Amino acid sequence: AQSVTQLDSHVSVSEGTPVLLRCNYSSSYSPSLFWYVQHPNKGLQLLLKYTSAATLVKGINGFEAEFKKSETSFHLTKPSAHMSDAAEYFCVVSDGGGSYIPTFGRGTSLIVHP
Amino acid sequence: EAQVTQNPRYLITVTGKKLTVTCSQNMNHEYMSWYRQDPGLGLRQIYYSMNVEVTDKGDVPEGYKVSRKEKRNFPLILESPSPNQTSLYFCASSETGHGRGEQYFGPGTRLTVT
Repeated sequence: AQSVTQLDSHVSVSEGTPVLLRCNYSSSYSPSLFWYVQHPNKGLQLLLKYTSAATLVKGINGFEAEFKKSETSFHLTKPSAHMSDAAEYFCVVSDGGGSYIPTFGRGTSLIVHP
Repeated sequence: EAQVTQNPRYLITVTGKKLTVTCSQNMNHEYMSWYRQDPGLGLRQIYYSMNVEVTDKGDVPEGYKVSRKEKRNFPLILESPSPNQTSLYFCASSETGHGRGEQYFGPGTRLTVT
């Protein structure tokens, strides 16, 4: 069985400060992990993905995430927030263990203050 | 341009009136799926399809039907909509057929059932 927990429903930062969105997962197999971003009134767009290669994954728009198996975490970070980063972010796990259904976290709303 | 399209984008209907939401992708992807997004719950998968004529239930299939007669199309059918199906619906496609690949999302269909 697989599950994913996004530890914060809302994160508020000032423009130019670091961003940390936390995600913990549970999986009985070797998981694939994803972060997607959803801007208001838009569909979801892939930020980055981990599929058992390098544990530090770089994505678009300066975001990166580190896969930590010992901590079962896949936190999303960015060194300096931009106003355009304000959006909803979803962590997703898919372990392919007989199920072809990815599991989405409940989402973290990132608020960026000028 | 590679994309997933959905129609209609907005739909208001009444309880019990059958409706279909269309989904089409132009990337020759094998895997397609439907999700519903509700506040605080993230995205939950309704149905998925591994390939033509192959469909299976996701986490919340009750009250929905799908078909996959062509590789590019994956319509979602609500034969007797009810108010609890009021939601934001997303269609997605993926190149890989086991749910572990990057998904490309459509723009969403906002459905209101009164």
